[in-house]
This record gives sequence, C-alpha cells and structure tokens, in this order.
Amino acid sequence: AQTVTQSQPEMSVQEAETVTLSCTYDTSENNYYLFWYKQPPSRQMILVIRQEAYKQQNATENRFSVNFQKAAKSFSLKISDSQLGDTAMYFCAFMKQGRTDKLIFGTGTRLQVFP
Amino acid sequence: KAGVTQTPRYLIKTRGQQVTLSCSPISGHRSVSWYQQTPGQGLQFLFEYFSETQRNKGNFPGRFSGRQFSNSRSEMNVSTLELGDSALYLCASSLGTAGGREQFFGPGTRLTVL
Repeated sequence: AQTVTQSQPEMSVQEAETVTLSCTYDTSENNYYLFWYKQPPSRQMILVIRQEAYKQQNATENRFSVNFQKAAKSFSLKISDSQLGDTAMYFCAFMKQGRTDKLIFGTGTRLQVFP
Repeated sequence: KAGVTQTPRYLIKTRGQQVTLSCSPISGHRSVSWYQQTPGQGLQFLFEYFSETQRNKGNFPGRFSGRQFSNSRSEMNVSTLELGDSALYLCASSLGTAGGREQFFGPGTRLTVL
C-alpha cells in the first residue's frame, strides 16, 4: 500500500519570501505520478504542479517548483516570491500509473502568507 | 466550460437516515472520483467510476455506495448515517482515459449528521 507523509502541519512565510513544503511517500511501484494540490479557505481544490516519476527533470510552474528525489521518495514544493493568495492548505498526493485516477493524499500543510 | 458541480452544497441529517449526493463532471470527462475530507482522517478515497463502471473502491463500509450514469454524472449514497459520517464530500472529474491526468475538484457537499 502507498502512503504519503507531510510532516509540517503548519508553516508561515512573509510575502515575497520563499518557502518549501515537505512530502515523503512510500511505494513499491516504479512508475507513478505525484501532485501538489492547493485548497484555499472555503474554495475548491486546484492542481498546483504535477510530476511523472519517470522524468528526472523537476517540474516547474511559474513560481512553483518541486524537488523530486525518487530514490529518497521525497517530493518537496518550493514557492518563490510568496503572495497573499498562496495562503491555503497544500496537499501532496500520489497516483499509481495505470487505469486509475485514485489519489492518495498526505495530511496537508497549512500555509499562511503574511504581509 | 463549466466546472465540476456538486449538489446540495450543505446537508443536515440525523443518525440512521440515508443521503444521496450528486456530482456533475466537466463536460467530456468520463471519470468521477469521490473523497471524504475530515479534520481527523484527512482526505480519503471512496470510489472511482469510469464509463458507468466502478474502477476502484476505498476502504469504507458497505453503507457507502455510488453509481455513474451514462452522461457521466455520479451519485453517492450513504445509508444508516452515523455521527462519524459528518464530513466534506468532494468529487473530482477527469478525462480518465490515461493515468496521471489532472483531477478537477468540485466545491464539495458539507454533510452534518446530528
């Protein structure tokens, strides 16, 4: 069975600064996908960034980038130039490769961005 | 394109009752997944449907069931409600034809069991 662990329940960062959220996972699969989802207060969950395990290159989406270490089973999210709108719960999630959309989520990290 | 919609948005029930929640996916999406979100257990996978067939099921009791219609809309049903069923129920849709696709989430249905 796969598990996803987020060891930081809460984090805070000042506007314009950089913050890194940690995620580790456990799986015996070789091919899979990893995601970071953002759930703003009282708003819908949206995808932040996606990584395919077979790709060595770390995914980047504007101010968001990941540090994917497959051997260490680590998948951290770096947010650069933090903005007030980044305040949200961030969930790391795992998906097996194949005919499935099943996501296994971590417990989440609540990020507060201060002005 | 309209997003994923869920109805109702809020629901209050009493123990022992049953409830049906509805999810309309984005047009063209054939996969619908359901998740239960609680402060204690976090986000847990309930089940996944693709083209009217249940493709995966999570570790929930048989009181939790679902189905998908030919237009890809999905419903989930919880019978004999318990206090612990109080949660935010989220559905997500995707094209579902290949793995690793982005899931688009709805706003959720907040169920309170008294």
